[in-house]
Amino acid sequence: AQSVTQPDIHITVSEGASLELRCNYSYGATPYLFWYVQSPGQGLQLLLKYFSGDTLVQGIKGFEAEFKRSQSSFNLRKPSVHWSDAAEYFCAVGWGTGANNLFFGTGTRLTVIP
Amino acid sequence: DGGITQSPKYLFRKEGQNVTLSCEQNLNHDAMYWYRQDPGQGLRLIYYSQIVNDFQKGDIAEGYSVSREKKESFPLTVTSAQKNPTAFYLCASSRYEQYFGPGTRLTVT
Repeated sequence: AQSVTQPDIHITVSEGASLELRCNYSYGATPYLFWYVQSPGQGLQLLLKYFSGDTLVQGIKGFEAEFKRSQSSFNLRKPSVHWSDAAEYFCAVGWGTGANNLFFGTGTRLTVIP
Repeated sequence: DGGITQSPKYLFRKEGQNVTLSCEQNLNHDAMYWYRQDPGQGLRLIYYSQIVNDFQKGDIAEGYSVSREKKESFPLTVTSAQKNPTAFYLCASSRYEQYFGPGTRLTVT
């Protein structure tokens, strides 16, 4: 069965430090991969997506993610975190019909300290 | 300015009452979705619609109903049969990737 795992419930980083948020999925077929960000009480904003091609994808706000098929992972990275990056981050994965049936991870809450 | 609107942002109802949440999009997307979000549980799919006059149940459809009479609109009704309706509800639409509205926080007492 398909599932998406974000192993870190909460991460705290210092402003200016690098960030990596983990996302793993189960199921063998080639996935469609997404990262979303959510500020408190708001909707989700799409950060980046992977459909095919180059496995390192660039997104908005200086984020990037790398698809590693051998590890069933799609980790999100940022070289230098800003205080405004504090939010909740969700990984989502789709199979077959792409965006039409997404499986979401349970989210990682990012706290940024000065 | 294209996007997805959800209204109202906050909604309060008494137990036993049905309530309808609005979702409108002007992105010309065929597909629309309703999700429920509870703390620590991520997003769970309630219903989705890939085309006008057609919709399918998601993982947690019990106690909810929807309609899709127009491409732009996908209202969600939370019925009195929903045992724990207090939650944050998110609407989305898609062509290739899903875009989300700002959400409606429903509180039932």
